[in-house]
Amino acid sequence: EAAVTQSPRNKVTVTGGNVTLSCRQTNSHNYMYWYRQDTGHGLRLIHYSYGAGNLQIGDVPDGYKATRTTQEDFFLLLELASPSQTSLYFCASRDWGDAEQFFGPGTRLTVL
Amino acid sequence: GDSVTQTEGLVTLTEGLPVMLNCTYQTIYSNPFLFWYVQHLNESPRLLLKSFTDNKRTEHQGFHATLHKSSSSFHLQKSSAQLSDSALYYCALSVYGNEKITFGAGTKLTIKP
Repeated sequence: EAAVTQSPRNKVTVTGGNVTLSCRQTNSHNYMYWYRQDTGHGLRLIHYSYGAGNLQIGDVPDGYKATRTTQEDFFLLLELASPSQTSLYFCASRDWGDAEQFFGPGTRLTVL
Repeated sequence: GDSVTQTEGLVTLTEGLPVMLNCTYQTIYSNPFLFWYVQHLNESPRLLLKSFTDNKRTEHQGFHATLHKSSSSFHLQKSSAQLSDSALYYCALSVYGNEKITFGAGTKLTIKP
């Protein structure tokens, strides 16, 4: 089974702060995804990637950047954090040809 | 674009009663993949069921669902609810060649003794 890890698990920052969320998967999956989860909205896709150096825009990208540095590592960047970005963030990965996604444990971000 | 509708945001049932969570979808493509993910409290979502075959029942861990392309539905059912079934359930849609999965808003299922 795929192993997806995220760090940090919890993060508190202030409005205007700079935050980087990290995700690593160890099963050489091609695709990686960043979601945010909010009550009443479910899982919303921020950005995704199908390989190192590739970035695709998701459904709610405003205020977020992302970078896929290697097959294993996918980062989400909030350069000017706002309280509206307070949320639970999940990273997920999947393999080529298999639609099942494997999720990491999540990062809870609070922007004061 | 593609969409998934879960009509119930909250469902509360008594233990032992049957469970049915509704899911309908919209896509222009004829070969969708449908999924149910389950997320227990303080955990991450994990796959419960998946299907791409029309009118074929898929079962796992006591739950079952059947993809009906004629009605664009993939309802989740269980004959007898257990306390441990309390969780958030997401219906999701993918189409072949599309890198994204579209999730519904989720249904929070609470089972009471």
